[in-house]
Amino acid sequence: RKEVEQDPGPFNVPEGATVAFNCTYSNSASQSFFWYRQDCRKEPKLLMSVYSSGNEDGRFTAQLNRASQYISLLIRDSKLSDSATYLCVVNMYRPSGSARQLTFGSGTQLTVLP
Amino acid sequence: GAVVSQHPSRVICKSGTSVKIECRSLDFQATTMFWYRQFPKQSLMLMATSNEGSKATYEQGVEKDKFLINHASLTLSTLTVTSAHPEDSSFYICSASPKGSPYEQYFGPGTRLTVT
Repeated sequence: RKEVEQDPGPFNVPEGATVAFNCTYSNSASQSFFWYRQDCRKEPKLLMSVYSSGNEDGRFTAQLNRASQYISLLIRDSKLSDSATYLCVVNMYRPSGSARQLTFGSGTQLTVLP
Repeated sequence: GAVVSQHPSRVICKSGTSVKIECRSLDFQATTMFWYRQFPKQSLMLMATSNEGSKATYEQGVEKDKFLINHASLTLSTLTVTSAHPEDSSFYICSASPKGSPYEQYFGPGTRLTVT
């Protein structure tokens, strides 16, 4: 089982649509959670951190369910510029590793169509 | 602030040669730098973690003699791919954690390596 699993998509949605991405992680001791965005052939950029209480940043809402080990990202009123791959990222506790290591999901590809 | 650069951005080399990739934190000191590799349509895979002044910690399955990492200063880490083969062709990305903020990571723009 992968440590961080995402639906790879692709999701093709019309402009203005609402789209939701899901992610599950395997290690219940994981400490921090993030959504990153990666454009084609570019480095990943932090979109938002995910907190247990849920958090919102403009059109983006992130939710964390620690009991189910599940993270979600909701994008409202999709724009053409939202087209990218969205990476679920977990700061996964590893006894033998660095506490600062990030584990990336394989990403969900989103294309917003005009 | 928190800018990370990589050089070169793109490199093509012949099989059997070695390639060095530099990762620099431009406006902060980085006690820890990470090296990732990303194959097409796959996610970033952590290769190694390097701390300034000490040996890098490699992930399982990553050959330390093939991927040499040197983190000689608080602003520079280098990855050398030795005796490169076509299967080493990939997108190599570094990230850096600022001194005092170990849970933040800032990514470089990546280096696309093609081995012919």
